[in-house]
Order: sequence, then structure tokens, then C-alpha cells
Amino acid sequence: AQSVTQLDSQVPVFEEAPVELRCNYSSSVSVYLFWYVQYPNQGLQLLLKYLSGSTLVESINGFEAEFNKSQTSFHLRKPSVHISDTAEYFCAVSDKEGGGATNKLIFGTGTLLAVQP
Amino acid sequence: KAGVTQTPRYLIKTRGQQVTLSCSPISGHRSVSWYQQTPGQGLQFLFEYFSETQRNKGNFPGRFSGRQFSNSRSEMNVSTLELGDSALYLCASAGTPPNYGYTFGSGTRLTVV
Repeated sequence: AQSVTQLDSQVPVFEEAPVELRCNYSSSVSVYLFWYVQYPNQGLQLLLKYLSGSTLVESINGFEAEFNKSQTSFHLRKPSVHISDTAEYFCAVSDKEGGGATNKLIFGTGTLLAVQP
Repeated sequence: KAGVTQTPRYLIKTRGQQVTLSCSPISGHRSVSWYQQTPGQGLQFLFEYFSETQRNKGNFPGRFSGRQFSNSRSEMNVSTLELGDSALYLCASAGTPPNYGYTFGSGTRLTVV
């Protein structure tokens, strides 16, 4: 069965410093990959997604993630974080089986990004 | 356009009762999925409905059920509530094709006492 590993439960970082949140998934079959962000008492917001094509995907607020098939990884990076980036970040994978007909997302356990002034 | 709407936002129920949660997807979205989020188990897939049919189901007991109406609105029901059912229940909708990412609602916080 597919699984997602986010090794870091919490990442403290100073404002304006770079950050990397790590994500690895288990299966070598074709997958779709996502990063979601969750602010306190809110639902999940899609940050960025990899479906196919270029392995580097970017979001509108400066985050980027790179799909690495050989290492089955999809790490999230930002060159300079802000206080407002403090939130929990979830990596998720969806199998392409069935022609993408399944909408089941498998989530990692989340990484709390704590940006300090 | 309007996002995914979940009602109610907060709910307190007593052990043994049943509860129904509602989700209105983004207009035009036919796929609705439900997830349970708890501190111990994280985010777990409950089930997915597409055009009023359950297309996928997670590993939850039969006390958890759902349905989808012709207007794509969905409800999930939990019967014989247990303390461990306390969680944030998230609904997500997706358009067609379904693999371009979900849009999640703000969730319903269920507390079982």
C-alpha cells in the first residue's frame, strides 16, 4: 500500500532563512503529488502539485517542490520564510491507477513549520 | 466562486448518539471525499462519492457512512458515537478530471463526550 513519510514533525527556522520540508513516498508506480498547508482551525489549502512534466513546481507564494522519481521524494523548499508561513504542511500522494479515477489521497503526518523572528 | 462549505463548524455529541455532517462542494464538482483528522492518526481517508455513487472507501467501521445527492452535496453519518470519533472531519471536492487537486472545506470539529 502507498505511504508517505514526513520525517520532521517540527521545523523551527528564523525569519528570512531558507527551509526544506522533506517528503518521501513508498510506491514506484506513477503518482500525483501534492503539498497542502493548514493554518490553525482551518481546512487544508493546496500549495502546489505535481501531475506530470517538469519536475520542479512552484507556488504563487514562493514555495517550490521538486519531484525526484529515483529517490521517491517531493521535498518542499522556500528560500526565505516569513512569520506568516508558520503553519502545518502536509505532503500527499494519489495513485494514477485506474487512469486517475481514484481520488484517494494518502497523507503524511505533517510538519509544523515554526518561523521565529 | 464559492468554496467548499461544511456545516456545522462545531458539534458536541454524547457517546452512543449519531451525527450527520454536511458538505456542499464547489459548483460543478462531482467528486466529494471525506477525511478524518486526529492528533494520533493524522489525516485518514473515509470515502469518496462521485455522481451519487461511492467510488472508494477507507478502512473505517460500518458506523461511518455517507451519501451524495443529485446536486453533488454530500452527507456523512456516524452512528453509535465513541469517544475516539472526536476529530476534525474534512470534506473535499474535485472537478473532472479528478486528479488536479482537491479543494477542502474548513471542516467540522466533532467532540464526543
